[in-house]
Amino acid sequence: GNSVTQMEGPVTLSEEAFLTINCTYTATGYPSLFWYVQYPGEGLQLLLKATKADDKGSNKGFEATYRKETTSFHLEKGSVQVSDSAVYFCALSEGSNYKLTFGKGTLLTVNP
Amino acid sequence: EAGVAQSPRYKIIEKRQSVAFWCNPISGHATLYWYQQILGQGPKLLIQFQNNGVVDDSQLPKDRFSAERLKGVDSTLKIQPAKLEDSAVYLCASSLDPGGFNSPLHFGNGTRLTVT
Repeated sequence: GNSVTQMEGPVTLSEEAFLTINCTYTATGYPSLFWYVQYPGEGLQLLLKATKADDKGSNKGFEATYRKETTSFHLEKGSVQVSDSAVYFCALSEGSNYKLTFGKGTLLTVNP
Repeated sequence: EAGVAQSPRYKIIEKRQSVAFWCNPISGHATLYWYQQILGQGPKLLIQFQNNGVVDDSQLPKDRFSAERLKGVDSTLKIQPAKLEDSAVYLCASSLDPGGFNSPLHFGNGTRLTVT
């Protein structure tokens, strides 16, 4: 079956540091890939997405590139802010009903 | 636009008791999902509705969990009887169409259930 593996947290960075959160996936076909973010006290919200190989999703300074050859979708940001502190979930969807499969989440804390 | 509304926010019950959660999706969203998020894990789909019909309930423990979406709008998820391992956050989400690339899911804040 489908699965998503993302790096274990927690990740603690200083403001303006470079961020990478690794995500790899296993799927039977050609899934769409997503990053969702959950800020403290809020529901999950879509951060960015990509639908095919070499697509780059981007939003709020975050980027992730769909790498079919390495089955990866790593999340990156060049300069994190305190307001980026949240839990980040990598996910894939596949099939006629686009069922989402999530990774376990990575807690990011950014200190001033 | 108003977001996905869920209630209650928190619930504590003893094992073998029953509990119900309520969800009101974003107006006009045909697809509604219930996810279970156990501490330290990612959300797991329990059931997906398209209007008032069930699309996927393959991971719903049907001996104790039930869900309905009468009239294709609000939905309730029930657990009866609850077990200790049901302690989790129950998330409701909705989307215009069945998920997919151009119809992202909008999540509510969830209901945190503790079974003692």
